[in-house]
Amino acid sequence: GIQVEQSPPDLILQEGANSTLRCNFSDSVNNLQWFHQNPWGQLINLFYIPSGTKQNGRLSATTVATERYSLLYISSSQTTDSGVYFCAVSSGTYKYIFGTGTRLKVLA
Amino acid sequence: NAGVMQNPRHLVRRRGQEARLRCSPMKGHSHVYWYRQLPEEGLKFMVYLQKENIIDESGMPKERFSAEFPKEGPSILRIQQVVRGDSAAYFCASSERAGTGDGYTFGSGTRLTVV
Repeated sequence: GIQVEQSPPDLILQEGANSTLRCNFSDSVNNLQWFHQNPWGQLINLFYIPSGTKQNGRLSATTVATERYSLLYISSSQTTDSGVYFCAVSSGTYKYIFGTGTRLKVLA
Repeated sequence: NAGVMQNPRHLVRRRGQEARLRCSPMKGHSHVYWYRQLPEEGLKFMVYLQKENIIDESGMPKERFSAEFPKEGPSILRIQQVVRGDSAAYFCASSERAGTGDGYTFGSGTRLTVV
């Protein structure tokens, strides 16, 4: 099956810093989502982005499907950005395969 | 649009008890998917249901776990005789059509703790 690797596994930032999170996948996919799991465990959809670039406020994402990776950019980070960021991919099925996440802590 | 509703948010059960987790899909969605997240891991697919039918249960443990999505009412994930290893967060997702396209929406999860 498809393998999903996320990097870095852990990240500590000062408030206001920018960061880039990466998601590599081992085979072609036709769906990809980025999620933020907040410290209370809730899963929040950030982007549905099987290809191309999208932006939403301080967050943006780019997927280069032909090269099998996606990037999530966080600019001017805030303490509320803390949590775990997951990338999930799917290839022609109804199941998402999740990476193991990037644990982000933003310090005030 | 209330989104995918899961309840309870938190559930504590003693070993040997039964746990029932509920998922109400988004309005107009007839496809439901359950995922489990063990501590420090990503979510893993368990089961896919359409109204009154189990389509794929390849990710379900063979014993003690069952799922249903009746014609009326929410989807239920049932865990009998819970053990400590069942402690996890259980997420439900729903979609209007089969597949993982835009509109495949996750709920906020139920955190099960077995004591």
